[in-house]
Amino acid sequence: QQQVKQSPQSLIVQKGGISIINCAYENTAFDYFPWYQQFPGKGPALLIAIRPDVSEKKEGRFTISFNKSAKQFSLHIMDSQPGDSATYFCAARSLNDYKLSFGAGTTVTVRA
Amino acid sequence: DGGITQSPKYLFRKEGQNVTLSCEQNLNHDAMYWYRQDPGQGLRLIYYSQIVNDFQKGDIAEGYSVSREKKESFPLTVTSAQKNPTAFYLCATGGRDRGAEKLFFGSGTQLSVL
Repeated sequence: QQQVKQSPQSLIVQKGGISIINCAYENTAFDYFPWYQQFPGKGPALLIAIRPDVSEKKEGRFTISFNKSAKQFSLHIMDSQPGDSATYFCAARSLNDYKLSFGAGTTVTVRA
Repeated sequence: DGGITQSPKYLFRKEGQNVTLSCEQNLNHDAMYWYRQDPGQGLRLIYYSQIVNDFQKGDIAEGYSVSREKKESFPLTVTSAQKNPTAFYLCATGGRDRGAEKLFFGSGTQLSVL
């Protein structure tokens, strides 16, 4: 049973557009929410992360929005570029055992 | 990538065979992890180790075994008891406990059944 539900499974966006990926969770013991980016044939790499005491975090073209009361968080990729084409995983870390639970992943394709 | 080396990149398993996936790191990280990646299912934790000579089962440990005899190495054996072993296997490292906020992943091993 997946503890972090991620949607959509895939999305296609035009170059310069905005990509939005959503994640939801139920476990109130989660205290840290990272996003990982994975290119084909490679391992994931940490992209950006947020803690629940902050509602938004921005790094370059990537922004995490966090809604603690709704137990939801999302990744926005502004001005999407072909090089952003990858699979994105949201995750959540439990305060109880520090293990990460990953979402199912979203494959983003940016068309030039 | 970087200081984590997984080998081989591709591996084929015959029926009833045990196979071992290698993971070596030079990042001096205490914690090491094995994840299994299947299309549409994200990353699922198989085993993890926070210190040498100690390891814990993750969410899908059945049919797998590990050892942690050295800080740098955390090999994963896929046993014949794992009936559906075809997947992309990822090794990761990080700090211990709260320090494990950033995981570093290797480039993975694709295991297929002949």
